[in-house]
Amino acid sequence: EAGVAQSPRYKIIEKRQSVAFWCNPISGHATLYWYQQILGQGPKLLIQFQNNGVVDDSQLPKDRFSAERLKGVDSTLKIQPAKLEDSAVYLCASSFINEQFFGPGTRLTVL
Amino acid sequence: AQSVAQPEDQVNVAEGNPLTVKCTYSVSGNPYLFWYVQYPNRGLQFLLKYITGDNLVKGSYGFEAEFNKSQTSFHLKKPSALVSDSALYFCAVRDMGRGTGRRALTFGSGTRLQVQP
Repeated sequence: EAGVAQSPRYKIIEKRQSVAFWCNPISGHATLYWYQQILGQGPKLLIQFQNNGVVDDSQLPKDRFSAERLKGVDSTLKIQPAKLEDSAVYLCASSFINEQFFGPGTRLTVL
Repeated sequence: AQSVAQPEDQVNVAEGNPLTVKCTYSVSGNPYLFWYVQYPNRGLQFLLKYITGDNLVKGSYGFEAEFNKSQTSFHLKKPSALVSDSALYFCAVRDMGRGTGRRALTFGSGTRLQVQP
């Protein structure tokens, strides 16, 4: 079965610019997650979707981050405007029941 | 709130020797526990999980983990380490939940395993 797909794999932008990441989960997985992994740390949840509804966005910096999953399948995460501290790997994961499957991530560098 | 502690930033072991990567957790209810491995420039790969049942869980690539409720630990083990096991290992936990639908994992800070030939 195909895994979680993410694009782009790498992105370099300057601070105050905007950026968007895309994720396509494993087919049939209703739950989708976006995590932020800063270098040297474990991943931290940004947002969890169940189908096209938001279940948990308590740790999403909503003044600059937004995410959507309009048709309950693929999802986009946007940062506008980016700050230096947003440099991280952004991981998308999907799950059917308990086990989460992760994509390869998008490495964002903000200069 | 739930949390995970991985007390060792790095574990060094010689090839062929047994390895242990430590993890302790804190949740308000019963835990779901996971181990993931991360290779450079790749996403997290699932190794094993504890949901319920036998305290010794067997997973991928010869890894196993022992759930100890009294010590709130879930240490990762392998009887004989390989050089190819060298990677970053993450322990993660989530509460079984109270019907909120929240299933996000809380990860530890990771332990780098270095297996020397």
